[in-house]
Amino acid sequence: QKEVEQNSGPLSVPEGAIASLNCTYSDRGSQSFFWYRQYSGKSPELIMFIYSNGDKEDGRFTAQLNKASQYVSLLIRDSQPSDSATYLCAVNIIFRPAGNNRKLIWGLGTSLAVNP
Amino acid sequence: NAGVTQTPKFQVLKTGQSMTLQCAQDMNHNSMYWYRQDPGMGLRLIYYSASEGTTDKGEVPNGYNVSRLNKREFSLRLESAAPSQTSVYFCASSEMDKDYGYTFGSGTRLTVV
Repeated sequence: QKEVEQNSGPLSVPEGAIASLNCTYSDRGSQSFFWYRQYSGKSPELIMFIYSNGDKEDGRFTAQLNKASQYVSLLIRDSQPSDSATYLCAVNIIFRPAGNNRKLIWGLGTSLAVNP
Repeated sequence: NAGVTQTPKFQVLKTGQSMTLQCAQDMNHNSMYWYRQDPGMGLRLIYYSASEGTTDKGEVPNGYNVSRLNKREFSLRLESAAPSQTSVYFCASSEMDKDYGYTFGSGTRLTVV
């Protein structure tokens, strides 16, 4: 069973701090990794993706990937109250090699609360 | 705006009633998905369609049927609704043979009483 695990939280940080969200996955063959943000009552929206080991930065967000440790994280710098949401980690696995078909395996999400 | 459109946004059904949730995407994606999301359970895949003309079961297909009407449209049908199907339903689309993420519709909040 392919799995993606996240701490459910809630993770509470003060405004302006760095929020660190973590995710581990079980399929060593996974090639791509995604972070989605989901506000209460809304649909998930893609905020970051990463394919290679190391860091990838986009504005206040940094995704970090360590394939050897099967670990991916999301850092949010200068956290704002508007960052309060559930963050979903998703890992793309190949489930049908003949057609190179892939699907996302989802974590349950980490709830982040940024306190003013 | 380009994206995934779901209808309806809200629905209340009585036990045993049937209904169809509609989904359409205008991004020319080959693959489409139906998920349900329940508190503490995360996103669970109901059915997916890798390409026009094909559909496959996901993790929780019981009580549901789907139709991939054309490349744009993928509908989800509840033939005889049960209270256990009370949930938020999301449709999504992607290119299944590429390392891209999914684009989600805005969701349908379904209550079965």
